[in-house]
Amino acid sequence: DQQVKQNSPSLSVQEGRISILNCDYTNSMFDYFLWYKKYPAEGPTFLISISSIKDKNEDGRFTVFLNKSAKHLSLHIVPSQPGDSAVYFCAASGGGAQKLVFGQGTRLTINP
Amino acid sequence: DGGITQSPKYLFRKEGQNVTLSCEQNLNHDAMYWYRQDPGQGLRLIYYSQIVNDFQKGDIAEGYSVSREKKESFPLTVTSAQKNPTAFYLCASSPQVANYGYTFGSGTRLTVV
Repeated sequence: DQQVKQNSPSLSVQEGRISILNCDYTNSMFDYFLWYKKYPAEGPTFLISISSIKDKNEDGRFTVFLNKSAKHLSLHIVPSQPGDSAVYFCAASGGGAQKLVFGQGTRLTINP
Repeated sequence: DGGITQSPKYLFRKEGQNVTLSCEQNLNHDAMYWYRQDPGQGLRLIYYSQIVNDFQKGDIAEGYSVSREKKESFPLTVTSAQKNPTAFYLCASSPQVANYGYTFGSGTRLTVV
């Protein structure tokens, strides 16, 4: 049972444009959401997070939006840069649980 | 600098052999985790430990074993019972509550030859 889903395995965006990565979840107990970025042969690094009491969180070029009623979150990257090319994982946790549940990842490619 | 160290970065195993992947952290985190990454399958949880001398199976624990004798260390043994061990293995740690997120190591690429 995949509780966190990233339905797009890959996404290609032109440099300077907006990248939008999507994530859906099924567990209504999830109350904290995170995005991680991963380069090949490296460990994921934390990018941005959002609590369920908010619907938006910004950090520089990165903004995460949360739609609780739709159980959907998205990561916006504006403007997209070549260094943003990586695999992006969304993750969720809830109720103080120590385990994060990860999506399958989306490979973002920024084209010059 | 605080962080997680995984070693070795690349590991080759002959069929039928057990191998142990090392994971050490100096972040004073209570919880530690092992994940496996395969192409197109994201991160799958193998084992996790919330406290010293205690650990729980994740989603794909068969063919793996772990120990947590020290807070700083959480080694993973890939046994000969693991039918398809070739993968990228990631270790992570977190404070008591995962809402602070995980800190990941740089990973170990295991290849069966």
